[in-house]
Amino acid sequence: AQSVAQPEDQVNVAEGNPLTVKCTYSVSGNPYLFWYVQYPNRGLQFLLKYITGDNLVKGSYGFEAEFNKSQTSFHLKKPSALVSDSALYFCAVRDTIMFSGGYNKLIFGAGTRLAVHP
Amino acid sequence: DGGITQSPKYLFRKEGQNVTLSCEQNLNHDAMYWYRQDPGQGLRLIYYSQIVNDFQKGDIAEGYSVSREKKESFPLTVTSAQKNPTAFYLCASTLNGDSYNEQFFGPGTRLTVL
Repeated sequence: AQSVAQPEDQVNVAEGNPLTVKCTYSVSGNPYLFWYVQYPNRGLQFLLKYITGDNLVKGSYGFEAEFNKSQTSFHLKKPSALVSDSALYFCAVRDTIMFSGGYNKLIFGAGTRLAVHP
Repeated sequence: DGGITQSPKYLFRKEGQNVTLSCEQNLNHDAMYWYRQDPGQGLRLIYYSQIVNDFQKGDIAEGYSVSREKKESFPLTVTSAQKNPTAFYLCASTLNGDSYNEQFFGPGTRLTVL
């Protein structure tokens, strides 16, 4: 079954330290991978995506992610965490099995809560 | 400002009652989506529409209905057939149905069954 996993429910990091939020995926074919962030009682905001090309993808708010095909991973990283980065982070992968309407839906991970402490 | 609006922000439903959640976008996007979010779970697709007057069931369509009469509007009705409707509902849109496009999300509607 095609899936995406975020193995950590919560990640704690001190402000100013580097952060990593992990994501692994399982899909057939070439993956399209996305990271979104959600602040409390808000919708999701797009951070970055990997479709093809350079394995290191840079996105909004200083975040980046590295696509690793051999490890089927797409971990989100930031060199120096801010308290304002505290939020819920979702990894998503395009399902390569198409719905009857011709759409490849996104499969979302369960989310990782990032807590950055002053 | 361009974006997606959802209303109401909070909604309370009595048993046996149908309720409709509004979703409007002024991004001129062709494709729109409805998701359900439950604590500790990822988003699950309820319905999607790639173009006006057309929509398709997602993974958890039972107990829900939608319409897409206008490009900018994609309302979701939660019917009495949905046995566990308490959740956070998110509407999203993309420029078109191509799956490499990132999705733009509305602020969500929190539905509670009394």
